[in-house]
Amino acid sequence: GESVGLHLPTLSVQEGDNSIINCAYSNSASDYFIWYKQESGKGPQFIIDIRSNMDKRQGQRVTVLLNKTVKHLSLQIAATQPGDSAVYFCAENKNDYKLSFGAGTTVTVRA
Amino acid sequence: KAGVTQTPRYLIKTRGQQVTLSCSPISGHRSVSWYQQTPGQGLQFLFEYFSETQRNKGNFPGRFSGRQFSNSRSEMNVSTLELGDSALYLCASSTTGTGDTEAFFGQGTRLTVV
Repeated sequence: GESVGLHLPTLSVQEGDNSIINCAYSNSASDYFIWYKQESGKGPQFIIDIRSNMDKRQGQRVTVLLNKTVKHLSLQIAATQPGDSAVYFCAENKNDYKLSFGAGTTVTVRA
Repeated sequence: KAGVTQTPRYLIKTRGQQVTLSCSPISGHRSVSWYQQTPGQGLQFLFEYFSETQRNKGNFPGRFSGRQFSNSRSEMNVSTLELGDSALYLCASSTTGTGDTEAFFGQGTRLTVV
């Protein structure tokens, strides 16, 4: 079906290491992808986005990679910090005024 | 600049009752969308409004409805509440709601149906 999914529900990472969170999507018509971070008790917070005409975009300590051939999206977090502990969602926008979210990956940073 | 404001933050209702949730978007944003978040189903799209018009609706029963006012503030209503309606209801606003415009979320309203 047309959905955005994440490969792993949980990820445990050592503080200071790099984190990679993966997401697979099935709708090739999607043209805009976003990563959100949700901390406990808060709404999702925008991290970074990428359009379908790009394959890489970098932000502050984060990089999003888009592989349209295999319909795969990933979020890389450099030098993971305790404040990065949260649930991460990928979402796609098919230009139909809504976001379709993946199931989320819970990232836990070990001190 | 104030963010997206949702009221109330917490709500406890009894089965069969109805509830109205409110969302005030970021100033200047005309698109407001609503999502339901549950542990089992994740984030599910409810509906989206722009300039008081509903442009898209998710796969939810007719008990779920919404509206948008001329000042872009939005409300959603759930009638005849069921236990399964217990969830975090999130509102997001953006300038246009189209393609590549960033959506900002509020902190949500936690609804518990008993």
